[in-house]
Amino acid sequence: ETGVTQTPRHLVMGMTNKKSLKCEQHLGHNAMYWYKQSAKKPLELMFVYSLEERVENNSVPSRFSPECPNSSHLFLHLHTLQPEDSALYLCASSQDSGAETQYFGPGTRLLVL
Amino acid sequence: AQSVAQPEDQVNVAEGNPLTVKCTYSVSGNPYLFWYVQYPNRGLQFLLKYITGDNLVKGSYGFEAEFNKSQTSFHLKKPSALVSDSALYFCAVRDTSGTYKYIFGTGTRLKVLA
Repeated sequence: ETGVTQTPRHLVMGMTNKKSLKCEQHLGHNAMYWYKQSAKKPLELMFVYSLEERVENNSVPSRFSPECPNSSHLFLHLHTLQPEDSALYLCASSQDSGAETQYFGPGTRLLVL
Repeated sequence: AQSVAQPEDQVNVAEGNPLTVKCTYSVSGNPYLFWYVQYPNRGLQFLLKYITGDNLVKGSYGFEAEFNKSQTSFHLKKPSALVSDSALYFCAVRDTSGTYKYIFGTGTRLKVLA
């Protein structure tokens, strides 16, 4: 349960704000992921990092900017977001990018006003 | 294009009764199939997976799923539901083309009634 942690758990921001989401994994994994979860829609894969290198950018708008300083930490920097960006943002990790099982954090519930 | 369908938004079942949560998929090669569960205010938790081998896969908390290649289905089952099983269940298929993508269904909310 505490293998992947995310902070903050809840965030309210205005469209002109800049904020960052943080994810940390304590599992010794080499791959990390950002997903967006909106109501009644499938989880959307946003970014994949493998050994701190971005290997997937799934057509995500530039107002979302990921950063992976090391294999244990992943950030999602947010700026000039839109109300439709309000969602649950989930971080996940896996042993490597080819591993079958991903381990998810609890998510950050984001509301953009 | 690869896809996953969960045809039911919600499934209601009485406690003690068997439950089934449906999932069908479409992939171009051999599928890797998964079930995850999400409890309120929590992230997704891995339940079980099918990669190869026996079509009946057993997972956590007494859940199992049956891979049916001819029907392209991977339904989640449990012989006797518990109130604590109430949660959101996601089926996912792993892209086997060499990328890293999971393709998730829209989720099915399971409500077990006491």
